[in-house]
Amino acid sequence: DAKTTQPNSMESNEEEPVHLPCNHSTISGTDYIHWYRQLPSQGPEYVIHGLTSNVNNRMASLAIAEDRKSSTLILHRATLRDAAVYYCILRSFAAGGTSYGKLTFGQGTILTVHP
Amino acid sequence: ETGVTQTPRHLVMGMTNKKSLKCEQHLGHNAMYWYKQSAKKPLELMFVYNFKEQTENNSVPSRFSPECPNSSHLFLHLHTLQPEDSALYLCASSQDGGRVEAFFGQGTRLTVV
Repeated sequence: DAKTTQPNSMESNEEEPVHLPCNHSTISGTDYIHWYRQLPSQGPEYVIHGLTSNVNNRMASLAIAEDRKSSTLILHRATLRDAAVYYCILRSFAAGGTSYGKLTFGQGTILTVHP
Repeated sequence: ETGVTQTPRHLVMGMTNKKSLKCEQHLGHNAMYWYKQSAKKPLELMFVYNFKEQTENNSVPSRFSPECPNSSHLFLHLHTLQPEDSALYLCASSQDGGRVEAFFGQGTRLTVV
């Protein structure tokens, strides 16, 4: 499976922007970049995903490097409810791709938000 | 509410018991997943089903037996478990492939005594 690398933990202050990085140097051309987060005692929750272009939704923005070997999840104004473990995951859209049909989680980044 | 429902939410079972976990989705998805999450560890993918066929088994012990009778339902049958099997068991569903997101249930907190 194509691997992703994330910092173990990050901290932010409430109402400040947060930039969560992810490296995926072995990404293939058929891999989408997905981000999920997991709040304490809950199942993971979808945040955003993209292929090549930057993406925005109501929760966050995803900035994808031009060579696609890294990406950054951007929370524009962190709130206390954003404190969670954030996972960056690669999922292939092509049958036969090593990450096709899978959703394999790594350690993720523990985000702490201070009041 | 994600559209993926897991029951029960909590389960305590003895090592000689047999129990089953249930997962249900009516999102029209054709792929369903079982994950195990032990305390302070990342999610471990256990099984993947696509169109009711098992496509992934990550070396899971045979005391865990999955069943997918149709695309909307997924079961995990448990028998003769060990205390180290105590964990949060999560179910997810999605369309197969990576174009769209996956949805997770709230999980079943399993304690083996």
